[in-house]
Amino acid sequence: DAMVIQNPRYQVTQFGKPVTLSCSQTLNHNVMYWYQQKSSQAPKLLFHYYDKDFNNEADTPDNFQSRRPNTSFCFLDIRSPGLGDAAMYLCATSRGGAPDTQYFGPGTRLTVL
Amino acid sequence: KQEVTQIPAALSVPEGENLVLNCSFTDSAIYNLQWFRQDPGKGLTSLLLIQSSQREQTSGRLNASLDKSSGRSTLYIAASQPGDSATYLCAVIGYGQNFVFGPGTRLSVLP
Repeated sequence: DAMVIQNPRYQVTQFGKPVTLSCSQTLNHNVMYWYQQKSSQAPKLLFHYYDKDFNNEADTPDNFQSRRPNTSFCFLDIRSPGLGDAAMYLCATSRGGAPDTQYFGPGTRLTVL
Repeated sequence: KQEVTQIPAALSVPEGENLVLNCSFTDSAIYNLQWFRQDPGKGLTSLLLIQSSQREQTSGRLNASLDKSSGRSTLYIAASQPGDSATYLCAVIGYGQNFVFGPGTRLSVLP
Protein backbone atom coordinates (compact mmCIF):
# COMPACT_ATOMS: atom_id res chain seq x y z
CA ASP A 1 0.00 0.00 0.00
CA ALA A 2 1.38 3.37 -1.01
CA MET A 3 2.13 5.54 2.02
CA VAL A 4 3.55 8.65 0.37
CA ILE A 5 1.97 9.44 -2.98
CA GLN A 6 3.17 12.00 -5.47
CA ASN A 7 1.25 13.29 -8.45
CA PRO A 8 1.97 13.49 -11.24
CA ARG A 9 4.96 11.18 -11.65
CA TYR A 10 6.08 13.12 -14.71
CA GLN A 11 5.37 16.79 -15.36
CA VAL A 12 6.31 18.79 -18.41
CA THR A 13 5.93 22.54 -18.32
CA GLN A 14 7.04 25.50 -20.35
CA PHE A 15 9.60 28.05 -19.30
CA GLY A 16 7.86 30.53 -17.01
CA LYS A 17 4.57 28.64 -16.76
CA PRO A 18 3.54 28.00 -13.14
CA VAL A 19 3.34 24.40 -12.05
CA THR A 20 2.09 22.64 -8.90
CA LEU A 21 3.29 19.29 -7.64
CA SER A 22 1.25 17.29 -5.17
CA CYS A 23 2.12 15.02 -2.27
CA SER A 24 -0.21 13.09 0.00
CA GLN A 25 0.42 10.69 2.85
CA THR A 26 -1.55 8.00 4.65
CA LEU A 27 0.83 7.79 7.61
CA ASN A 28 -0.62 10.69 9.60
CA HIS A 29 2.90 12.02 10.06
CA ASN A 30 3.52 15.45 11.51
CA VAL A 31 6.36 16.46 9.23
CA MET A 32 6.36 16.76 5.46
CA TYR A 33 9.40 17.67 3.36
CA TRP A 34 10.11 18.75 -0.20
CA TYR A 35 13.46 17.97 -1.78
CA GLN A 36 14.94 18.82 -5.15
CA GLN A 37 17.29 16.25 -6.66
CA LYS A 38 19.26 16.87 -9.82
CA SER A 39 20.98 14.13 -11.75
CA SER A 40 23.70 12.33 -9.76
CA GLN A 41 23.38 14.79 -6.88
CA ALA A 42 22.18 14.53 -3.31
CA PRO A 43 18.60 15.51 -2.56
CA LYS A 44 18.50 19.15 -1.48
CA LEU A 45 15.96 20.15 1.14
CA LEU A 46 13.76 23.01 -0.03
CA PHE A 47 11.46 23.32 2.99
CA HIS A 48 9.49 21.33 5.50
CA TYR A 49 6.33 21.63 7.56
CA TYR A 50 6.11 20.53 11.16
CA ASP A 51 2.35 20.40 11.46
CA LYS A 52 1.40 23.84 10.19
CA ASP A 53 4.75 25.44 10.97
CA PHE A 54 6.57 26.23 7.76
CA ASN A 55 10.37 26.04 7.68
CA ASN A 56 12.13 27.44 4.66
CA GLU A 57 15.76 26.61 3.94
CA ALA A 58 17.85 29.76 3.67
CA ASP A 59 18.97 29.11 0.10
CA THR A 60 15.61 28.03 -1.32
CA PRO A 61 14.75 30.41 -4.18
CA ASP A 62 11.68 32.62 -3.81
CA ASN A 63 10.38 30.98 -6.97
CA PHE A 64 9.46 27.97 -4.84
CA GLN A 65 6.47 28.07 -2.52
CA SER A 66 4.64 25.43 -0.52
CA ARG A 67 1.21 24.87 0.98
CA ARG A 68 -0.02 22.36 3.50
CA PRO A 69 -3.82 22.67 3.74
CA ASN A 70 -4.15 19.68 6.06
CA THR A 71 -2.13 16.85 7.60
CA SER A 72 -2.38 14.62 4.56
CA PHE A 73 -1.52 16.97 1.71
CA CYS A 74 1.37 19.20 0.79
CA PHE A 75 1.91 21.11 -2.45
CA LEU A 76 4.99 22.52 -4.13
CA ASP A 77 4.35 25.55 -6.32
CA ILE A 78 6.96 26.73 -8.78
CA ARG A 79 5.87 30.19 -9.83
CA SER A 80 8.05 30.71 -12.89
CA PRO A 81 10.00 27.57 -13.76
CA GLY A 82 13.37 28.04 -15.37
CA LEU A 83 15.48 25.50 -17.21
CA GLY A 84 17.55 25.07 -14.07
CA ASP A 85 14.50 23.88 -12.15
CA ALA A 86 14.28 20.68 -14.16
CA ALA A 87 14.85 17.95 -11.60
CA MET A 88 13.28 15.16 -9.60
CA TYR A 89 11.16 16.52 -6.76
CA LEU A 90 10.86 14.23 -3.78
CA CYS A 91 8.32 14.44 -1.00
CA ALA A 92 8.99 12.77 2.34
CA THR A 93 7.31 12.47 5.71
CA SER A 94 8.38 11.68 9.25
CA ARG A 95 6.61 11.39 12.58
CA GLY A 96 8.64 14.18 14.11
CA GLY A 97 9.43 12.22 17.24
CA ALA A 98 12.56 10.26 18.13
CA PRO A 99 13.91 8.13 16.49
CA ASP A 100 12.82 9.58 13.18
CA THR A 101 12.78 7.77 9.87
CA GLN A 102 11.87 9.54 6.67
CA TYR A 103 9.50 7.89 4.22
CA PHE A 104 9.81 9.00 0.63
CA GLY A 105 7.39 9.12 -2.24
CA PRO A 106 8.36 7.96 -5.73
CA GLY A 107 9.12 11.49 -6.89
CA THR A 108 7.90 13.75 -9.68
CA ARG A 109 10.23 14.25 -12.63
CA LEU A 110 9.87 17.84 -13.86
CA THR A 111 10.90 18.78 -17.37
CA VAL A 112 11.02 22.45 -18.40
CA LEU A 113 10.87 23.20 -22.10
CA LYS B 1 26.89 24.16 8.20
CA GLN B 2 26.72 20.36 8.07
CA GLU B 3 28.44 18.75 5.08
CA VAL B 4 28.17 15.09 4.19
CA THR B 5 30.50 13.23 1.86
CA GLN B 6 30.47 9.65 0.62
CA ILE B 7 33.34 7.55 -0.63
CA PRO B 8 33.61 5.99 -3.11
CA ALA B 9 31.40 7.82 -5.60
CA ALA B 10 30.98 4.61 -7.60
CA LEU B 11 31.82 0.99 -7.01
CA SER B 12 31.64 -2.09 -9.21
CA VAL B 13 32.07 -5.53 -7.66
CA PRO B 14 31.46 -9.15 -8.68
CA GLU B 15 28.53 -10.94 -7.12
CA GLY B 16 29.21 -12.49 -3.72
CA GLU B 17 31.70 -9.94 -2.48
CA ASN B 18 31.41 -8.18 0.85
CA LEU B 19 31.72 -4.43 0.58
CA VAL B 20 31.84 -1.26 2.65
CA LEU B 21 30.41 2.15 1.82
CA ASN B 22 31.61 5.19 3.72
CA CYS B 23 29.86 8.32 4.90
CA SER B 24 31.53 11.29 6.62
CA PHE B 25 29.98 14.35 8.22
CA THR B 26 31.53 17.53 9.57
CA ASP B 27 29.31 18.35 12.57
CA SER B 28 29.08 15.60 15.18
CA ALA B 29 26.04 17.17 16.87
CA ILE B 30 23.59 14.87 15.12
CA TYR B 31 20.33 13.32 16.17
CA ASN B 32 20.29 10.26 13.93
CA LEU B 33 21.88 8.94 10.77
CA GLN B 34 19.94 7.13 8.09
CA TRP B 35 21.00 5.03 5.11
CA PHE B 36 18.83 4.95 1.99
CA ARG B 37 18.78 3.12 -1.28
CA GLN B 38 17.68 4.79 -4.52
CA ASP B 39 16.99 2.93 -7.73
CA PRO B 40 17.29 4.90 -11.00
CA GLY B 41 14.43 7.38 -11.45
CA LYS B 42 12.81 6.35 -8.19
CA GLY B 43 12.35 7.69 -4.70
CA LEU B 44 14.41 6.72 -1.68
CA THR B 45 13.92 3.59 0.39
CA SER B 46 15.04 3.62 4.00
CA LEU B 47 17.49 0.84 4.88
CA LEU B 48 18.70 1.54 8.38
CA LEU B 49 18.34 4.26 10.99
CA ILE B 50 21.00 4.67 13.68
CA GLN B 51 20.24 6.82 16.68
CA SER B 52 23.06 9.01 17.97
CA SER B 53 23.32 6.86 21.11
CA GLN B 54 23.79 3.67 19.10
CA ARG B 55 26.93 2.23 17.54
CA GLU B 56 25.36 0.02 14.89
CA GLN B 57 22.21 -1.40 13.37
CA THR B 58 21.69 -4.59 11.39
CA SER B 59 19.06 -5.68 8.90
CA GLY B 60 19.61 -8.91 7.02
CA ARG B 61 22.81 -8.64 5.01
CA LEU B 62 23.22 -4.97 5.91
CA ASN B 63 25.11 -3.59 8.88
CA ALA B 64 25.58 0.11 9.55
CA SER B 65 27.92 1.56 12.13
CA LEU B 66 28.19 5.05 13.55
CA ASP B 67 31.14 6.81 15.17
CA LYS B 68 29.89 10.26 16.08
CA SER B 69 33.16 11.51 17.51
CA SER B 70 35.01 10.92 14.26
CA GLY B 71 32.06 11.92 12.07
CA ARG B 72 31.83 8.62 10.25
CA SER B 73 29.37 5.92 9.34
CA THR B 74 29.86 2.80 7.30
CA LEU B 75 27.38 0.55 5.54
CA TYR B 76 28.53 -3.04 5.22
CA ILE B 77 26.84 -5.26 2.63
CA ALA B 78 27.53 -8.96 2.93
CA ALA B 79 27.44 -11.40 0.04
CA SER B 80 26.41 -8.80 -2.54
CA GLN B 81 23.84 -9.67 -5.19
CA PRO B 82 22.97 -8.07 -8.56
CA GLY B 83 19.72 -6.87 -6.98
CA ASP B 84 21.79 -4.71 -4.62
CA SER B 85 22.78 -2.50 -7.56
CA ALA B 86 21.55 1.00 -6.77
CA THR B 87 22.73 4.31 -5.35
CA TYR B 88 23.22 4.34 -1.58
CA LEU B 89 22.82 7.62 0.26
CA CYS B 90 23.43 8.51 3.85
CA ALA B 91 21.56 11.33 5.55
CA VAL B 92 22.53 13.05 8.76
CA ILE B 93 19.64 14.21 10.86
CA GLY B 94 20.29 17.26 12.97
CA TYR B 95 18.12 18.84 15.59
CA GLY B 96 15.08 20.64 14.22
CA GLN B 97 14.26 17.95 11.62
CA ASN B 98 17.17 19.04 9.46
CA PHE B 99 18.20 16.25 7.07
CA VAL B 100 21.44 16.64 5.09
CA PHE B 101 22.20 14.05 2.42
CA GLY B 102 25.47 12.87 1.01
CA PRO B 103 25.87 12.64 -2.78
CA GLY B 104 25.61 8.86 -2.74
CA THR B 105 27.66 5.86 -3.82
CA ARG B 106 26.57 4.22 -7.06
CA LEU B 107 26.94 0.46 -6.66
CA SER B 108 27.00 -2.08 -9.48
CA VAL B 109 27.08 -5.77 -8.59
CA LEU B 110 28.03 -7.85 -11.60
CA PRO B 111 26.61 -11.36 -12.04
